[in-house]
Amino acid sequence: GAGVSQSPSNKVTEKGKDVELRCDPISGHTALYWYRQSLGQGLEFLIYFQGNSAPDKSGLPSDRFSAERTGGSVSTLTIQRTQQEDSAVYLCASSLEGTISYNEQFFGPGTRLTVL
Amino acid sequence: GNSVTQMEGPVTLSEEAFLTINCTYTATGYPSLFWYVQYPGEGLQLLLKATKADDKGSNKGFEATYRKETTSFHLEKGSVQVSDSAVYFCALRTLNAGNMLTFGGGTRLMVKP
Repeated sequence: GAGVSQSPSNKVTEKGKDVELRCDPISGHTALYWYRQSLGQGLEFLIYFQGNSAPDKSGLPSDRFSAERTGGSVSTLTIQRTQQEDSAVYLCASSLEGTISYNEQFFGPGTRLTVL
Repeated sequence: GNSVTQMEGPVTLSEEAFLTINCTYTATGYPSLFWYVQYPGEGLQLLLKATKADDKGSNKGFEATYRKETTSFHLEKGSVQVSDSAVYFCALRTLNAGNMLTFGGGTRLMVKP
């Protein structure tokens, strides 16, 4: 079956612009996660959605970052007023029931964001 | 909080050499432990996992044993191949820390023919 897909694969933007990154999880997966991978910070958690529960936003680095998940499926990560330190690869992952710690998270290919 | 520490790379080995990548962790609660691999130009994929103490995860000739007493989950392979060249990430997950994965910094492995 289809895996996690993300779009765009690459995004170059100017400092101060807003960007939207999209994630399509695996069908039937109720849990969805956003991470980012950067040279200085490694792989870090951003936000987690589980079904209809309120998202866990504890990893968002600032209030410029937000995310939503419509209809329990597609998710959009929005970065407002982008800064150069936002440059990173943004990874989306999904899994079956997120409240089971050993459920595998399947990762998408990522969106490489470059802020000039 | 949760944290994972793994040996820094790069690790450079000749083909058929023995591989060990060390990983230790601290966790609140009882973690599940994972190794993820990222091949050049590809996304993260799960290599192996272990969910309780003394479990051994294995896949593609790689193994790691969940050692609660030493809070470790070292990755080993008896004979590496050039195709194993990749970045390896140790990770953990605990339900009482938000269900997200906490990753180590990654270790780049380069295998030379």
